[in-house]
This record gives sequence, C-alpha cells and structure tokens, in this order.
Amino acid sequence: GAVVSQHPSRVICKSGTSVKIECRSLDFQATTMFWYRQFPKKSLMLMATSNEGSKATYEQGVEKDKFLINHASLTLSTLTVTSAHPEDSSFYICSAPQQLGSYEQYFGPGTRLTVT
Amino acid sequence: GIQVEQSPPDLILQEGANSTLRCNFSDSVNNLQWFHQNPWGQLINLFYIPSGTKQNGRLSATTVATERYSLLYISSSQTTDSGVYFCAGGSQGNLIFGKGTKLSVKP
Repeated sequence: GAVVSQHPSRVICKSGTSVKIECRSLDFQATTMFWYRQFPKKSLMLMATSNEGSKATYEQGVEKDKFLINHASLTLSTLTVTSAHPEDSSFYICSAPQQLGSYEQYFGPGTRLTVT
Repeated sequence: GIQVEQSPPDLILQEGANSTLRCNFSDSVNNLQWFHQNPWGQLINLFYIPSGTKQNGRLSATTVATERYSLLYISSSQTTDSGVYFCAGGSQGNLIFGKGTKLSVKP
C-alpha cells in the first residue's frame, strides 16, 4: 500500500507556543490530503481538507486561525497548531489517496501532541 | 452530515471463534473503508469496499450500498486480531468514522 509519513511522531510543547506537524506522501503525489484528530479511546474526527495550491477547507467547528494548514507541494502538507493550549493535546493523523481520482485513503502513523 | 454507527462497541472472543462487525450509514456513501488501529495508533487498511464483497485471508467484507450498511467478517480469530476496528465512509475523499469496535481475542 501507499506510504504516508508524519513528523514528528510525538511532541511536547508549552502553552502559548506553536507546533508544526508534517505529512508527506512518500511514493506518490497527492493534490488533496486530510487531517484528523483523535482523543484517547475515541474515534477520529475530520478537521480539514488540505488542497495543494489553494486554501484548506475546514470542517464546522474547527478554527482555521488555530489550525493552519499549508499544502505547498504535491507531497507535503503541514498542520500548525498556533498558540497551543492543553486542550489541543491530541493524536493528529493525516491521510491521502494514493491515486488521483481515487477515494481510498492511506493514513500516516500519527503525531501525538502534548501541551503542558 | 453523514452519521456512522458501528456495532458492537466491544467484543470478546475466544481464539478460533468467528465474528461479524457491522457498520450502518445514515446516508449513501460512495467511499467506504475498514481499518484496524494497532496499539501505536497506526490505521491499517483492511478493505476499500463501497459496494460488493471482498476477501483477504481470514477477513472478508460485504457492503450493501442500497441498504447503507457494511459487514466485516473475521474467521478463526487470533490473539493478534485484537484491537479497534473502524469503518469510515463519505461522499468524497473525506471519511467520517464510526466509534469503532474494540475486539479482544483471548487465548
């Protein structure tokens, strides 16, 4: 299957600082990537759709100024959590379809963010 | 938006037993996947199955799109099958996830 990587795998930061998470498609190009978050023992919640070369589309209730998404190339999308607070602590996971026009998603290994 | 219901929420099996996991959708989807989330959080793709039936070893899945449900069958379960199984679907590339079925297979 397709390989999607994320960096870092885990990060601890202090309240008020910003954290950037990278999502890369390693062996394919992705014009669209998706960002999810997962709370402990909970399901995944779609946050936003990252579109290469254009603005991201955010789901209802997700603050776009809080979670900045940049999809600068066909293999890289970044999620920046700005002015992080403890309630932003979560598991963030990205996904991408391996083929243009395909709906089948492949997921990265996730990034565990802890805000102290 | 689309609502996804998974059942059962928890399932305990003896090794060797068979099981069926179900996923119901509130609306039609043209994109449906089953995943197994391992203890480290990685989502493992099991099936991409917007309709029809597929099999992969001891696992198989069936989606009846007209009735908006999908089933995941696990036969001859093994302890390594333990974990959380998610179904997810959507109308485009994005996926709405169910709450998952936590499966525990006892030796």
